[in-house]
Amino acid sequence: GQNIDQPTEMTATEGAIVQINCTYQTSGFNGLFWYQQHAGEAPTFLSYNVLDGLEEKGRFSSFLSRSKGYSYLLLKELQMKDSASYLCAVMDSNYQLIWGAGTKLIIKP
Amino acid sequence: TAGITQAPTSQILAAGRSMTLRCTQDMRHNAMYWYRQDLGLGLRLIHYSNTAGTTGKGEVPDGYSVSRANTDDFPLTLASAVPSQTSVYFCASSATGGSNQPQHFGDGTRLSIL
Repeated sequence: GQNIDQPTEMTATEGAIVQINCTYQTSGFNGLFWYQQHAGEAPTFLSYNVLDGLEEKGRFSSFLSRSKGYSYLLLKELQMKDSASYLCAVMDSNYQLIWGAGTKLIIKP
Repeated sequence: TAGITQAPTSQILAAGRSMTLRCTQDMRHNAMYWYRQDLGLGLRLIHYSNTAGTTGKGEVPDGYSVSRANTDDFPLTLASAVPSQTSVYFCASSATGGSNQPQHFGDGTRLSIL
């Protein structure tokens, strides 16, 4: 079966750095997406990786290793507004997104 | 820009009743999707449409139907609601289907079936 694993919840301090991991097992791979979802709101697109390596976008970076079935989202200089759930999703061989359950990130002052 | 509009925002529905969740996008995206989001689970695809006039089944299609008469609208119908369909429903769209284009989401419909 297809499976996306990410930690259920993480806590970090304002101004610090946090890394949210995602491992996947899917039928085929056409890229990995990270989305941010604030409580009660819609998911919003953060990043896309299809090749191995690091993609940097401001305070957020996303890394992919296809051979290990592994990705992480790195958030730097954490702000209170970064408190949200972070969703990892993999596009399978049918170009359908398989979603993880999300990681709830709690930022403490 | 409006993006994707879903209606209603929330609804309480008696079991056995029918309900149509509405979704409209103004981005001229070809592909549209319906997901449900339940606590502790990832988003699950119900139905999708890669272009107007075509639809396909996702991971959890049973009990739901969709139509895609034009590019902008993609309604989701529950013919006879059951309590297990209590969920948050998200409509999404992407520029093209069957591709790695990011999906853009509406604000969701919170549906409770009693």
